[in-house]
Amino acid sequence: DVKVTQSSRYLVKRTGEKVFLECVQDMDHENMFWYRQDPGLGLRLIYFSYDVKMKEKGDIPEGYSVSREKKERFSLILESASTNQTSMYLCASSHKQGGLKINQPQHFGDGTRLSIL
Amino acid sequence: GDSVTQMEGPVTLSEEAFLTINCTYTATGYPSLFWYVQYPGEGLQLLLKATKADDKGSNKGFEATYRKETTSFHLEKGSVQVSDSAVYFCALTRMDSSYKLIFGSGTRLLVRP
Repeated sequence: DVKVTQSSRYLVKRTGEKVFLECVQDMDHENMFWYRQDPGLGLRLIYFSYDVKMKEKGDIPEGYSVSREKKERFSLILESASTNQTSMYLCASSHKQGGLKINQPQHFGDGTRLSIL
Repeated sequence: GDSVTQMEGPVTLSEEAFLTINCTYTATGYPSLFWYVQYPGEGLQLLLKATKADDKGSNKGFEATYRKETTSFHLEKGSVQVSDSAVYFCALTRMDSSYKLIFGSGTRLLVRP
């Protein structure tokens, strides 16, 4: 089974802190994603990466950055945490599309519930 | 832009009742369609998918048919169980940028014994 592991289930930080959320996958997936999940808004894509050291902005990248130094690990960074970044953060991974690998589903971690005080 | 609209919840049913959760979409081209399920305290799991018009995705007793003429992908189950209580998300991805999923806002299902 695919395993996507997020380093923390719950995290409490203070306004202005630099916050790191870590995600590791064990299926050699090329693509990795960070979403935030808020009531009534569903999931919104923050950033994604399609290869090591490659990244692209999603729909709501402001206030966030990412790092992908190794294929299996994708980190989300809140440069200066603010209260409006209190949310559930979900990491996902998938094989890249193309050739025989079409419509590859995304596999999700269990999420990190982040509170910024 | 592309979007997915789901019926608002919560949907509350008795065990063994019939379930329908409506999902409609707006997209250019021919998207692939997915249903994901999120059980309490967990991440999302792929429930089923359909990749072209008239395809029917099915899994664990759930079904959904890709209806291009009505741009819909409604989720159905003939007899729900308490263990089906969860949040259900409809999503689409376009073939020209198929790394990106567009999610609906989710529908919470509560099944009572």
